[in-house]
Amino acid sequence: DVKVTQSSRYLVKRTGEKVFLECVQDMDHENMFWYRQDPGLGLRLIYFSYDVKMKEKGDIPEGYSVSREKKERFSLILESASTNQTSMYLCASKREEESKNIQYFGAGTRLSVL
Amino acid sequence: AQSVTQPDIHITVSEGASLELRCNYSYGATPYLFWYVQSPGQGLQLLLKYFSGDTLVQGIKGFEAEFKRSQSSFNLRKPSVHWSDAAEYFCAVGARSGAGSYQLTFGKGTKLSVIP
Repeated sequence: DVKVTQSSRYLVKRTGEKVFLECVQDMDHENMFWYRQDPGLGLRLIYFSYDVKMKEKGDIPEGYSVSREKKERFSLILESASTNQTSMYLCASKREEESKNIQYFGAGTRLSVL
Repeated sequence: AQSVTQPDIHITVSEGASLELRCNYSYGATPYLFWYVQSPGQGLQLLLKYFSGDTLVQGIKGFEAEFKRSQSSFNLRKPSVHWSDAAEYFCAVGARSGAGSYQLTFGKGTKLSVIP
């Protein structure tokens, strides 16, 4: 089974802190994704990476950056956390040649910014 | 650009009753369509997918969905709901991004409550 692991289930940070959300997958997938989930808004794509050191902005990249130094790990970075970044963050991965786009999701990190 | 609409924000059904969750999509080419389920506090699990061929697709947990191109719909159904089906359900369409990789565009979700 594919396993996508997000390092923290719950995280509480203060406004202005630099925050790292980590995601690791164990299936050698080329593509990895970070989504934000908010009530009534569904899932919105923040960034995705189609290979190591490669990234592309999603629909809501403002206030976020990402890092993909190794194939299995994809980090989401909040340079200076703000209260409007309080949300559930979901990581996903898939094979590049799997054009039919079955994404596998982690359990999510619920981030609260105070 | 592609989009997905789930018209029902919240649906409540009695256990044992039938269920239909609606999904409409907008996409210029042949769509790849998905239904995911999210139990409370969990990530998303794939229920079923449609790529091509038979327009009625079967998924896990007794769910099925029917692709209707003329109506741009991909509604999810289950003949008899169980209390454990209470969750949030997301419809999604797959499309190629500018970089060439496939992305998913999600609907806003339908929350299902089940009355015992």
